[in-house]
Amino acid sequence: GIQVEQSPPDLILQEGANSTLRCNFSDSVNNLQWFHQNPWGQLINLFYIPSGTKQNGRLSATTVATERYSLLYISSSQTTDSGVYFCAVLSGATNKLIFGTGTLLAVQP
Amino acid sequence: GAGVSQSPRYKVAKRGQDVALRCDPISGHVSLFWYQQALGQGPEFLTYFQNEAQLDKSGLPSDRFFAERPEGSVSTLKIQRTQQEDSAVYLCASSRAVAGGSYEQYFGPGTRLTVT
Repeated sequence: GIQVEQSPPDLILQEGANSTLRCNFSDSVNNLQWFHQNPWGQLINLFYIPSGTKQNGRLSATTVATERYSLLYISSSQTTDSGVYFCAVLSGATNKLIFGTGTLLAVQP
Repeated sequence: GAGVSQSPRYKVAKRGQDVALRCDPISGHVSLFWYQQALGQGPEFLTYFQNEAQLDKSGLPSDRFFAERPEGSVSTLKIQRTQQEDSAVYLCASSRAVAGGSYEQYFGPGTRLTVT
């Protein structure tokens, strides 16, 4: 089955710093989503981005489907950005999301 | 409108007990999914419904796990004779997609199950 890898696995930032999270996938996909799982466990939708670039405030994402990767940019990080960031892909005729291993982000004041 | 809701939020069961976890999807969403998230890992697919039809149950780990969505709205995930390895967060998601389609999935807050 399709493999989804995220890097880095862990990241510590000072408040105000910028960061880039990467998601690589092993086959063509129909759908890619980025989520933020907050410390209470809620998965919050960030982007639905099978291809191209989208921006939402301090966050932006780019997916290059032909090269099988996606990037999540966080600018001017805040302590509330802390948590785990997951990318997840949907491939083929199934509707299930296949999640990556996540990036654990800690933003320090 | 309201998001996906799940109940209970926390459940403690003694080994061998049966449990039932409920999911209320976003109104009008055709597709409903259950995922299991073990500590420190990403969610993993369990089963998928389109309306009341269970189209994919390939992720259910054993025949002790059973899911239903009889009227195409609320869904229940039942685990019989719980074991310690069933301890996890169970997440429900819904989307507008029909089979073969591709739409954004929205997740509920999850039910944290602890089997003692």
